[in-house]
Order: sequence, then structure tokens, then C-alpha cells
Amino acid sequence: NAGVTQTPKFQVLKTGQSMTLQCAQDMNHNSMYWYRQDPGMGLRLIYYSASEGTTDKGEVPNGYNVSRLNKREFSLRLESAAPSQTSVYFCASSYLGQGLMNTEAFFGQGTRLTVV
Amino acid sequence: SQKIEQNSEALNIQEGKTATLTCNYTNYSPAYLQWYRQDPGRGPVFLLLIRENEKEKRKERLKVTFDTTLKQSLFHITASQPADSATYLCALRYSTLTFGKGTMLLVSP
Repeated sequence: NAGVTQTPKFQVLKTGQSMTLQCAQDMNHNSMYWYRQDPGMGLRLIYYSASEGTTDKGEVPNGYNVSRLNKREFSLRLESAAPSQTSVYFCASSYLGQGLMNTEAFFGQGTRLTVV
Repeated sequence: SQKIEQNSEALNIQEGKTATLTCNYTNYSPAYLQWYRQDPGRGPVFLLLIRENEKEKRKERLKVTFDTTLKQSLFHITASQPADSATYLCALRYSTLTFGKGTMLLVSP
């Protein structure tokens, strides 16, 4: 049981390059999330998908796009990377039940992205 | 706007003492609150969930309280150990799962 798997673990991009961060979970969770974590800023939500087929913007969506490919996979794309997107990115998943009741969120190991 | 506040200053305590971390929130009445632990270079790991109708929840050396009147949760680690050193995050569900910035706990031998 792998939990939440993110790839890659490390990436260096040049300004203007594009890339896709991959995330997959094997816990049959319906909800998936992408967060970024910066020193002093905590975890900030970029996009989330409450269920397969839906995606919504979080707190800091500008410069990113997402795709909920199926129930297992939720990818994050940077179309034109900027130095301000240098961060650690975490994918997470949870089960969202009745009354918007979340079970605990499970996180991937993170992707450390540097944009130069 | 909704806000979750955790003490940004690190908490330094001696081994064996009880660590108490605080999570305050505003502009919301959440149905539940979660606590996570994060080690350097790793993703957060879930510890405890407490619901609005529960005043207190325990798990081994961990205890969480939830005061919906004060809009505050306290997280206690009793008989703390150096291995408890980490950053602890609280999380609430506003429109989605929102985290505080976390408080670093340092337990010295």
C-alpha cells in the first residue's frame, strides 16, 4: 500500500519552461489536493478536486492548472514557470463524506521545485 | 476572511515535560479540527481529529482539547521526548482543508 505517490521528488526548471507534477493515490479517496509550502507561509492550497471530474481553485491558483485524470490521479501543471513558483509542492488525498466531513489527509513526500 | 493562528515562535522544552501548542481560529465555526506532525523534508502526517461536540481527545501521550466558545484548540504532548521534535500543524475545514502555519517543537534531552 503506497499511499500518495508524487513524482518527481526534485526538479530544476528555467524561467518559462513548463512541467507537470504527477500524483497518484491508492486509498480510493475521492478528494485530492495540491499545496505549496514556503518558509513562513505554511501550506497554501493551490487547487483541489473534491471528487472525480471536478476541480476548484484554492488560495493561490495563478500560474497553475490541474487535471483530475481519474479517481487515482491528480496532476499539477506549470505552463510557464517563474522564480516565484520555487517551492515545495505537496499532493494530498482524503475521503470527503456526508456533510463535508473529511477523514484525515494523507500527503505525498513532496516535490522540491527550483525555478532559475 | 478566515484565519488560523499558531504560535510562529518555536517551543523549546526539556525532555519529560508537557508540551502545549495552541491553535486559534477566527470567522468560522468548524465541525472538527485536525492536528498533523511534519518532520523536515517530509509531508505532514495526521495525528488526531476532534469534533465540535468533543471537548477532549486522547491518543497515547497526545491530548487535544477543542473550545468552540474560545475558538481554540490546545495540543498537549505529555512526557515529551526528543523524538517528538517536529512542526505541528492544525487544520480546519473552511471551504476546503486549511492549515495553520505550524509551530516547531524542540525537545532537548
